[in-house]
Amino acid sequence: GEDVEQSLFLSVREGDSSVINCTYTDSSSTYLYWYKQEPGAGLQLLTYIFSNMDMKQDQRLTVLLNKKDKHLSLRIADTQTGDSAIYFCAETRNSGNTPLVFGKGTRLSVIA
Amino acid sequence: DTEVTQTPKHLVMGMTNKKSLKCEQHMGHRAMYWYKQKAKKPPELMFVYSYEKLSINESVPSRFSPECPNSSLLNLHLHALQPEDSALYLCASSQGRGRGYEQYFGPGTRLTVT
Repeated sequence: GEDVEQSLFLSVREGDSSVINCTYTDSSSTYLYWYKQEPGAGLQLLTYIFSNMDMKQDQRLTVLLNKKDKHLSLRIADTQTGDSAIYFCAETRNSGNTPLVFGKGTRLSVIA
Repeated sequence: DTEVTQTPKHLVMGMTNKKSLKCEQHMGHRAMYWYKQKAKKPPELMFVYSYEKLSINESVPSRFSPECPNSSLLNLHLHALQPEDSALYLCASSQGRGRGYEQYFGPGTRLTVT
């Protein structure tokens, strides 16, 4: 199976909260990232969390990390149409050469 | 400033052409990366340069040839590509290559091979 898993689609109404979930398998993962990709654009680093943290908040974004369950989530409060994009979860590991391992991405659609 | 720039934005080339993609950053980052991204897929790592030396080559075909002329510039030379090489090519940079150094991505070059 995939090393980093995400659900592929999420649809929310404008003004509601969005929660995008991610699970990873490598217990040695030390840094976990959320990237946003709008159509035809590159990846924008939204936020990241160290594995010794449970939560990180940055304006409308809240990241929650459950290290026991290897579960990461990104909550976007007051979701706007401009938040429509693909959101990639990514991890770095203690082993191997690959600096960053991405999930398949979650496509967030915001309905006005 | 966390900007990585890439040129050109779009490129159409035939299978016998030779072209180059360029990437530039002025953040003082010492690691730079090339990724390939197909539609609806996550980026796939191609190459990593650390301190201007190639440190990772993810079994990329030799028709892709990276070059790092200095710490701010990264090129990807293309020759005899195939239609399946059509994709978005992303450049990224980070302060270092190890864990904990977040990568910043450029806007990408959309490559079409005809």
